[in-house]
Amino acid sequence: DTEVTQTPKHLVMGMTNKKSLKCEQHMGHRAMYWYKQKAKKPPELMFVYSYEKLSINESVPSRFSPECPNSSLLNLHLHALQPEDSALYLCASSQPWDGYQYFGAGTRLSVL
Amino acid sequence: GDSVTQMEGPVTLSEEAFLTINCTYTATGYPSLFWYVQYPGEGLQLLLKATKADDKGSNKGFEATYRKETTSFHLEKGSVQVSDSAVYFCALSTNFGNEKLTFGTGTRLTIIP
Repeated sequence: DTEVTQTPKHLVMGMTNKKSLKCEQHMGHRAMYWYKQKAKKPPELMFVYSYEKLSINESVPSRFSPECPNSSLLNLHLHALQPEDSALYLCASSQPWDGYQYFGAGTRLSVL
Repeated sequence: GDSVTQMEGPVTLSEEAFLTINCTYTATGYPSLFWYVQYPGEGLQLLLKATKADDKGSNKGFEATYRKETTSFHLEKGSVQVSDSAVYFCALSTNFGNEKLTFGTGTRLTIIP
């Protein structure tokens, strides 16, 4: 199984809502990542978890809150988002010593 | 810092044409190099990789060779198909306990029947 599964596929939320994105992998990978991708741009790294600990936070606003409950799961909690946060949110996983990452299909988020 | 420069797109080719997408990089140390592909409405898929100089990565008819002397990793395919239409990203990782991938800007490829 080489899949990274993300749910939901699509999400529409208002600026006062609280929602969560979920990511799951069963490849035994110990590093997991959140990326944000705007149209016609490459993915931008947001957070990295390595062995369930946050190792990289790319100065992401606090309205995005990551969580890694165990080695297979990664969540991204969203609160008080802005319209400019509308994007495709991608999750990825890898072994920490590998350069390459496996990506999920993403959650397309629209903030109204 | 590390950076990846990719050929500007979009690129439009006829079916069965030869494809080259240029990629050059700047990195400290000895990076691993990757090509990722993103089909419409999907996430990124690893297309091929090379971890040291002169390595050739290949998959689905695509090839790229790690050229340290020219700091390049150009993507090639001898005969493209309509199904190859996608966005292609060149990326690198320096693998020194640093899990970051540095991406190029992406090249949109459209194949016309």
